[in-house]
Amino acid sequence: QKEVEQNSGPLSVPEGAIASLNCTYSDRGSQSFFWYRQYSGKSPELIMFIYSNGDKEDGRFTAQLNKASQYVSLLIRDSQPSDSATYLCAVNGNSGGYQKVTFGTGTKLQVIP
Amino acid sequence: GAGVSQSPSNKVTEKGKDVELRCDPISGHTALYWYRQSLGQGLEFLIYFQGNSAPDKSGLPSDRFSAERTGGSVSTLTIQRTQQEDSAVYLCATGWGMNTEAFFGQGTRLTVV
Repeated sequence: QKEVEQNSGPLSVPEGAIASLNCTYSDRGSQSFFWYRQYSGKSPELIMFIYSNGDKEDGRFTAQLNKASQYVSLLIRDSQPSDSATYLCAVNGNSGGYQKVTFGTGTKLQVIP
Repeated sequence: GAGVSQSPSNKVTEKGKDVELRCDPISGHTALYWYRQSLGQGLEFLIYFQGNSAPDKSGLPSDRFSAERTGGSVSTLTIQRTQQEDSAVYLCATGWGMNTEAFFGQGTRLTVV
């Protein structure tokens, strides 16, 4: 089992719809969870972080964390073509004996005008 | 500068040559990661430094790859006897500690001809 798993996509949604991106992780002791956005040809940039169970909202973005089920998700409301990018889930947990951030392989999101 | 700085931005080298890639972290960041990203692919973890602890080298693909971090600050990734399959973007990311987010540099695009 991979430490952080994401569906690679592409996930296609029409403009204005809600995009739902999901991520599962293996280390039950993980404490910190991050979502990064990576545009083609650019470096990943942090867009959300969440530490506690439940929802965290920031503008059109909502991060959801369920530690019991070991999943974290990102909802993007009113999706825009400019949201088209690859979204990377990152989890801070124990990996190979080291406490560090581990990234999933990313989900490519396409917002269709 | 305020962000993670990587140099050079682009490097073209001949097969068999050695290359050095540099990462200047955000001041005070103790965590430093190196990743490799091939075109259209996810992040491939290479190595992780945390403070003065022994680095996590589990992601280095072969003994041609090595990295050091001097004085807990600047890091250099060295690739010896480069091969064409080493061509990729090499990304450095740094963070305040084990449980915090990581911030990425702009990357070094390495092309081996």
